[in-house]
This record gives sequence, structure tokens and C-alpha cells, in this order.
Amino acid sequence: NAGVTQTPKFQVLKTGQSMTLQCAQDMNHNSMYWYRQDPGMGLRLIYYSASEGTTDKGEVPNGYNVSRLNKREFSLRLESAAPSQTSVYFCASSGRTALIEKLFFGSGTQLSVL
Amino acid sequence: AQTVTQSQPEMSVQEAETVTLSCTYDTSESDYYLFWYKQPPSRQMILVIRQEAYKQQNATENRFSVNFQKAAKSFSLKISDSQLGDAAMYFCAYRSARNKLVFGAGTILRVKS
Repeated sequence: NAGVTQTPKFQVLKTGQSMTLQCAQDMNHNSMYWYRQDPGMGLRLIYYSASEGTTDKGEVPNGYNVSRLNKREFSLRLESAAPSQTSVYFCASSGRTALIEKLFFGSGTQLSVL
Repeated sequence: AQTVTQSQPEMSVQEAETVTLSCTYDTSESDYYLFWYKQPPSRQMILVIRQEAYKQQNATENRFSVNFQKAAKSFSLKISDSQLGDAAMYFCAYRSARNKLVFGAGTILRVKS
């Protein structure tokens, strides 16, 4: 099925460990996003990529890095995880097909940093 | 920077009644898009309705309609004939011309039978 594939679904890290969240879309979308969702704070934009080869900071980029590897893939890296990064992470992609704009979300990653 | 504010953390509505969820945003841009998304407990994000800023006519999708006031930077969602399946978290979102997509904090909607 077409959509956004996000891995892993769950992850537990110790403070200081590093990890990469993977995201891939097969809809030929130009734009891709990484969000974190915390109770009472909604979805906060970490980084986004408006097109292949470009990335821009969102609202909460500190402690994260991203790579737009190609048009399909947009990864999020935590270099040194902190308990404040415990959250649910969502990848999303958007594009226009037949003049209709669509936004698709991955199923989310529950990350706990101990 | 663009911001989206949803001032109602939680709302309740009786089944078959009408409820309005509020959203305001701040931007200096003239060209942008606004969205309402629904997030049920499954965490899936579902598009409810979208509005292009250049269109004066308010968008409608079946029981869902918006009141878009561009000058006031307000974008409220009206749900008519509320159903139990409407219960969810609702997010208002703003997308800039450069494709930056920002969400509000969300409003939990409870539907009473």
C-alpha cells in the first residue's frame, strides 16, 4: 500500500545513546516533515524538507539532525539522546496529485529515553 | 515565525448537536493553506478539511465547515450533527508557501450520547 513507512514503532534508549528514525514515502512527494507530539503541546515541527536536497529547521530542532537521502527518504537522528526527547515522533510527506493536495503521516515512533 | 493557537484544550458536545472549534494563527504571508486534522486514538492523522487563503469562500465537507476570517487570522471548524465517531483530537494546521507545516496544540472533542 502506498504511504509513509516509519521505523521503528517503539524504541527505548539510555541517556547519551544515539539512534536514527527512518522514514520513506512512495508517493513521489516533494515535501517531508518530522514532528514530535507531546501531551498538551500538539505536533511540533522538528525539521522539514521542502524538496530533495533541502532541509530547514522547524520549531524545535535542537538535539536533532536530519538527512534527505533522496526524494523517498528523510531520516531523523538523535546524536545524544536526553530524557526531554521522550515523545512520539511522526514523519509526514505532502505533495500534489491532479491538483489535489495530500498530506500523509507515518504511524509514529514511541521513543522513551531513560 | 508562523504560529497556530488553539485556545480550547477540550470541548464536549451532545450527539446530533453542533460544536465549533477555534483556531487562530499568526503570519505575515499572504499565500498559505489552512487545515483541520482529526487524530483518533489510533494516532492516525486524518484530513478533515482544507482552505486556501486566496479563496474567500469557506470550505465545506459534508458535516464539517469552516469560518475563515483572513483579516482576523481566524479559522474555526464547525461540526454539525455530531456523531460518536467524531470524538478525537482535532488539530488546526498552517502551511506556508515554502511548505513549512505548523500545527496547533490540539483540541480534544468528546461526544456525549
